[in-house]
Amino acid sequence: DTGVSQNPRHKITKRGQNVTFRCDPISEHNRLYWYRQTLGQGPEFLTYFQNEAQLEKSRLLSDRFSAERPKGSFSTLEIQRTEQGDSAMYLCASSPAARGDSSYGYTFGSGTRLTVV
Amino acid sequence: TQLLEQSPQFLSIQEGENLTVYCNSSSVFSSLQWYRQEPGEGPVLLVTVVTGGEVKKLKRLTFQFGDARKDSSLHITAAQPGDTGLYLCAGAAYSGGSYIPTFGRGTSLIVHP
Repeated sequence: DTGVSQNPRHKITKRGQNVTFRCDPISEHNRLYWYRQTLGQGPEFLTYFQNEAQLEKSRLLSDRFSAERPKGSFSTLEIQRTEQGDSAMYLCASSPAARGDSSYGYTFGSGTRLTVV
Repeated sequence: TQLLEQSPQFLSIQEGENLTVYCNSSSVFSSLQWYRQEPGEGPVLLVTVVTGGEVKKLKRLTFQFGDARKDSSLHITAAQPGDTGLYLCAGAAYSGGSYIPTFGRGTSLIVHP
């Protein structure tokens, strides 16, 4: 297993366009997280899946954002009608933790850098 | 939202110096993790601490979890240029039946040769 894989690594899009990012977690990890990170800030939580179920969404995840994990394996994050404020690094992380266990660490992908022009 | 405050925000030192960075919160965390992030990459997990008062060592890095599980510190001995990066702490906060890692803003460390 090569770890958490994110594609694309970089995306430049015009304001108003839709974009979709993909995350392939470590195969045996049942938890998958999406984070957003802007310059000078730590990662901000967006949403989280346990297998195929989306269990938690941040208030940061506006109606223009949607995430899916249809078969409990890879996940996609779509942003509709992108705005310049959406420019950020979008990070995906996975974890093998069972529900209720906080002692496991998280393996992050390299992220997708989105630039909205 | 349970906030994690990290200090200092920036640190620029010479190779061979020692340093300590801090992670503080008014909330209790069930566990706390430290990550290192290099530009253009995702954070890489360094350590997880779970028990109040716990001390873990990773080569020249020493991590401590406060007795009350509200704060943590990372001490680096004899820093090297390879230690340069953004050091992030993340606390596991219980929300909606799950533990969601909440990150601080990070400490940006530069070690000059």
